[in-house]
Amino acid sequence: SQQGEEDPQALSIQEGENATMNCSYKTSINNLQWYRQNSGRGLVHLILIRSNEREKHSGRLRVTLDTSKKSSSLLITASRAADTASYFCATVFNTGGFKTIFGAGTRLFVKA
Amino acid sequence: DTGVSQDPRHKITKRGQNVTFRCDPISEHNRLYWYRQTLGQGPEFLTYFQNEAQLEKSRLLSDRFSAERPKGSFSTLEIQRTEQGDSAMYLCASDGSAGNTEAFFGQGTRLTVV
Repeated sequence: SQQGEEDPQALSIQEGENATMNCSYKTSINNLQWYRQNSGRGLVHLILIRSNEREKHSGRLRVTLDTSKKSSSLLITASRAADTASYFCATVFNTGGFKTIFGAGTRLFVKA
Repeated sequence: DTGVSQDPRHKITKRGQNVTFRCDPISEHNRLYWYRQTLGQGPEFLTYFQNEAQLEKSRLLSDRFSAERPKGSFSTLEIQRTEQGDSAMYLCASDGSAGNTEAFFGQGTRLTVV
């Protein structure tokens, strides 16, 4: 099964509202990353948070990491219709090399 | 460097045929990953390379799948005797050696087995 699991699976909000997505994982990680994917396109990296960090910001994005609970959240503030996409968390852990495993994603729909 | 490139972008093949996909990573990246993604799902790990060494291969990957990275640069993913269940998007990604770096993805190869 996948290492990370996102919650909710789907989220529909109005433009201007905040969107929060959560990710839980199973094993100790080196870092956790969030990616975005528009329909039928490749994945685009959004933000990386290291295992010794608790919070990180990038523009309208805020990511938190709680290693004791093995969970992370992605907050998108003041959402726009253009934020409509699938969002995936990816956990990176050391298996002799560094391996990246993705969750099933949260599908975000922002209504204009 | 224009990023990770994959070829072809689309492939339609008949069941039972062999197919081969190519991935050219970002030149300074020594790690290269292959993923498979089906509709509505996240990318599923298939295998990854550090330089030319294949470090791990998913147990979900049958013997019909093989990947190579002969000179530590581009990689190929071959599927032999394709089945309809192999229809998916095959994604390639590369990243640097530090471990705390983002992965850059190609646009993927969409395989349809008819």
